[in-house]
Amino acid sequence: GQQLNQSPQSMFIQEGEDVSMNCTSSSIFNTWLWYKQEPGEGPVLLIALYKAGELTSNGRLTAQFGITRKDSFLNISASIPSDVGIYFCAGRLSGGAGNMLTFGGGTRLMVKP
Amino acid sequence: DGGITQSPKYLFRKEGQNVTLSCEQNLNHDAMYWYRQDPGQGLRLIYYSQIVNDFQKGDIAEGYSVSREKKESFPLTVTSAQKNPTAFYLCASSPQGGNQPQHFGDGTRLSIL
Repeated sequence: GQQLNQSPQSMFIQEGEDVSMNCTSSSIFNTWLWYKQEPGEGPVLLIALYKAGELTSNGRLTAQFGITRKDSFLNISASIPSDVGIYFCAGRLSGGAGNMLTFGGGTRLMVKP
Repeated sequence: DGGITQSPKYLFRKEGQNVTLSCEQNLNHDAMYWYRQDPGQGLRLIYYSQIVNDFQKGDIAEGYSVSREKKESFPLTVTSAQKNPTAFYLCASSPQGGNQPQHFGDGTRLSIL
């Protein structure tokens, strides 16, 4: 199955820094989701995006649905140690079956206090 | 509390043995999914079910089997035909239709003895 291209694969940043990650595809998506996974746990939904150009915030997190509908971005402002984890993007293909999702490979975020 | 419960948290399989992973949800969701996650990688779809008594193969169904006899339950059997079963297995559910996000359980880690 198709995978989304998620980058960077990993980031090691200083506490207080801002973080940016993105997902791109050659296909058009009608939904973008961003999840966070902590070690030994399942992914938890952070932000859902449903419309091209949509910009949505959840606390220090902001995500955007790209205008081309082929990409999405997640930004974390003023990172803190508890932001550590793996961030996954997931998209629902335009014309795809049911609620099927395609996942990116994840961005592993490490924060140095 | 409503949610998705996976059990056991850790499971060990002997060579030639079938093992079954449990997934139960009380969210009244129609659709349920099983994913496999290998270290440092994204999620790959094993099987999904959009309604009771119906299920479909995902991208990596070989060596696995499922059943969906009840709306709340979607057990996954890892058969002896799956030669590389060591992985983290995640179950998810979502309402059927629309753009509703998938919600995940906390996973089962399967290892080979």
